[in-house]
Amino acid sequence: DGGITQSPKYLFRKEGQNVTLSCEQNLNHDAMYWYRQDPGQGLRLIYYSQIVNDFQKGDIAEGYSVSREKKESFPLTVTSAQKNPTAFYLCASSIWTSGKLFFGSGTQLSVL
Amino acid sequence: KQEVTQIPAALSVPEGENLVLNCSFTDSAIYNLQWFRQDPGKGLTSLLLIQSSQREQTSGRLNASLDKSSGRSTLYIAASQPGDSATYLCAVSHTGNQFYFGTGTSLTVIP
Repeated sequence: DGGITQSPKYLFRKEGQNVTLSCEQNLNHDAMYWYRQDPGQGLRLIYYSQIVNDFQKGDIAEGYSVSREKKESFPLTVTSAQKNPTAFYLCASSIWTSGKLFFGSGTQLSVL
Repeated sequence: KQEVTQIPAALSVPEGENLVLNCSFTDSAIYNLQWFRQDPGKGLTSLLLIQSSQREQTSGRLNASLDKSSGRSTLYIAASQPGDSATYLCAVSHTGNQFYFGTGTSLTVIP
């Protein structure tokens, strides 16, 4: 079945540590996105990528980094510079300019 | 900047009732509007997508309407069931690659 796979489902970060969230899609979509979801708030865009080897900052990119070396993969690194990383992280993909988003099942990141 | 609002934030209804969820947006120059369902601790599942040229879309017991001029969309759920309990989010798109989300309506259907 085609879809978006996020791993791990739960992740714990120690202070000063960088952690990487995985996102893989087999939908052959051009565009991939990372969103952060906090309780009671809407989804906020962290980064997005239209094509391989290119990505753009979203509204809350500080403290995060991404790479897009393959069309299928768009990992997100939460760096130690992100002081409030506890949130639910969602990866999404779409055919560029189609306007239809498909989401993964999410990763819950917590701080130890 | 586009702002998307969903009111109410939470709604409880008895099983079998028909209900309407609301989504409003400030900039009517949208490309399309999408309704999603989110279960606790899960990702978003697309329910319906309405293109800017369309007035409504239907899927089973769900019907979504769009009134661009007034900046409003509604999601109608017929004959609600306990399995419909979830958070429903709407998102509007400009140019097909920039999305703005509402904060969602948490629906509880009471058996």
